[in-house]
Amino acid sequence: GAGVSQSPSNKVTEKGKDVELRCDPISGHTALYWYRQSLGQGLEFLIYFQGNSAPDKSGLPSDRFSAERTGGSVSTLTIQRTQQEDSAVYLCASSNRATLGNTIYFGEGSWLTVV
Amino acid sequence: AQTVTQSQPEMSVQEAETVTLSCTYDTSESDYYLFWYKQPPSRQMILVIRQEAYKQQNATENRFSVNFQKAAKSFSLKISDSQLGDAAMYFCAYRSSRGGTGGFKTIFGAGTRLFVKA
Repeated sequence: GAGVSQSPSNKVTEKGKDVELRCDPISGHTALYWYRQSLGQGLEFLIYFQGNSAPDKSGLPSDRFSAERTGGSVSTLTIQRTQQEDSAVYLCASSNRATLGNTIYFGEGSWLTVV
Repeated sequence: AQTVTQSQPEMSVQEAETVTLSCTYDTSESDYYLFWYKQPPSRQMILVIRQEAYKQQNATENRFSVNFQKAAKSFSLKISDSQLGDAAMYFCAYRSSRGGTGGFKTIFGAGTRLFVKA
């Protein structure tokens, strides 16, 4: 697609429920990132996928968080047993080694509210 | 591990004036990329400008320019002739070019909120 696409754009869920957030990267981009941005805060790295390599999961805050990337394209971030502190904007980004400086391009984010 | 520090939580500038946003970073690597991203209220992160560490010349994009001081590990953003549309959150970011201990993830500072006064 023309840009990074994320869905849903907004999600309200009850505490304890599981949620799935989807990211469709720019076509041909081999790298995909998930970041979390709490209200008024900076970007917190969560996970990074690069081609067929093992993902860098060093930023996942707990084992309730997981992500997968199927077929090297679409990625799903899953949060199990959601807590109120999980409320944030979840940003997905993608990049391609062919782009200058491996610049990453962001989607518009998924705003998660846990009530 | 690499870190990025933006010491100014908020800045304010008069329309048509110039403002400089500060960014410092810490790394043991010699080869890397630096970026400034803009996040307006719409939440969409937009790349403003990028700099390759091996280049001594400061990057420029229209009204946006950087002052890259590699030895001091400083990467400030200058916005000239500020416009109302420049009001946004600005994030400084670092990315290794060789992977290293931090891998290839892009690391962001906490951001500086820029207000533009009419």
